[in-house]
Amino acid sequence: DIQMTQSPSSLSASVGDRVTITCRASQSISSFLNWYQKKPGKAPKLLIYAASSLHSGVPSRFSGSGSGTDFTLTISGLQPEDFATYYCQQSNSAPTFTFGPGTTVEIK
Amino acid sequence: DVQLEESGGGLVQPGGSLRLSCAASGFMFYSYSMNWVRQAPGKGLEWLSYISSGGHNQQYADSVKGRFTISRDNAGDSLYLQMNRLRDDDTGVYYCVRQSPFDSDEVLISDAFDVWGQGTLVTVSS
Repeated sequence: DIQMTQSPSSLSASVGDRVTITCRASQSISSFLNWYQKKPGKAPKLLIYAASSLHSGVPSRFSGSGSGTDFTLTISGLQPEDFATYYCQQSNSAPTFTFGPGTTVEIK
Repeated sequence: DVQLEESGGGLVQPGGSLRLSCAASGFMFYSYSMNWVRQAPGKGLEWLSYISSGGHNQQYADSVKGRFTISRDNAGDSLYLQMNRLRDDDTGVYYCVRQSPFDSDEVLISDAFDVWGQGTLVTVSS
């Protein structure tokens, strides 16, 4: 089974900051990596698919990169509505999937 | 509008059963693979189960294999999750999720979960 890790588990940042979250797969998953945003009491939202493709309607301050085992999600110019928990997900083993443990972005 | 609406959650005793339903609208339900994902209190997202568009292929996470059964009714635009032998650690919010293939130049580059329901809470407790 493919295991996913994320770092850091949480971070504090200010509005306007550039934030980077890392996701690592236990084996190569090519670019079969997606990113989601989750806010308390709300359903998760797809942000990035295929490691670097921005999902429709997602602000361009979100970007993704990486391939193989190492991936990053970057938020350039953090906005108040971006404080949330972010999850990576591998789809290389579809139709089984694995989420990372999540990274919570908190207000400094 | 594309929508998924879960129902059927509630309080159940350990060892009991519950059936979750998900009503889809606004898209061609029969064309999409579907999944269930849950979030336990204070925990992360956990993929539970997959069903192909025609219903012939099902997959399960090890944590629910043998206890949960996913099914669908394409004529009624509905997805189901039959949960048996429920345990305390099955407590959480259960999401019905649409899976979409994303391609580039007609080459699949990722399957991703692009439409989520609002979730239904399942509490397993005596």
